[in-house]
Amino acid sequence: AQSVTQLGSHVSVSEGALVLLRCNYSSSVPPYLFWYVQYPNQGLQLLLKYTSAATLVKGINGFEAEFKKSETSFHLTKPSAHMSDAAEYFCAVTLGQGGKLIFGQGTELSVKP
Amino acid sequence: DAGVTQSPTHLIKTRGQQVTLRCSPKSGHDTVSWYQQALGQGPQFIFQYYEEEERQRGNFPDRFSGHQFPNYSSELNVNALLLGDSALYLCASSPWELGADTQYFGPGTRLTVL
Repeated sequence: AQSVTQLGSHVSVSEGALVLLRCNYSSSVPPYLFWYVQYPNQGLQLLLKYTSAATLVKGINGFEAEFKKSETSFHLTKPSAHMSDAAEYFCAVTLGQGGKLIFGQGTELSVKP
Repeated sequence: DAGVTQSPTHLIKTRGQQVTLRCSPKSGHDTVSWYQQALGQGPQFIFQYYEEEERQRGNFPDRFSGHQFPNYSSELNVNALLLGDSALYLCASSPWELGADTQYFGPGTRLTVL
């Protein structure tokens, strides 16, 4: 069965610091992996996705993630945090076309001035 | 181009009542999926509709049912509401042939059960 584990329910960084949000997945077959962002009282916005092409995926707002099969990880990074990055971030996995998305529990990112 | 829209935005019901939530997919999308997001949790898949049929279902009881109309819009119905049904209900749409990796989410309907 597929599953996603996000390490750390809350991460706090200073503005300008590196952002690292951790995601590990479990899947019996090559997965599709996603990162979504959710701002308060809003729906989910896709940041980036891995669909078996390049292992380093670049997304919107300066975020990127690297698929590491040996570590079953898909961590999200951003070199320099901005106040507007404060939000809830969700990692998700699916088996591909037509598949349902399975989400992690989420990581709340706080950015201190 | 309008994205995924959902109505109503907020809803308050009492235990035992029934509720209907509505979703209009993004233009050009024919597949609609519904998710339940409890407070402080990640979204959980309820079911998916394509060609007016339920194609996949998550681990939700039969109290949760849905429908898709010929114009691809969809409804989520929940009967005999429980306090635990309080959550944000998210609708996502995608083109069937491109799969879940192209899902767009709506803003959600916040359901409160008292």
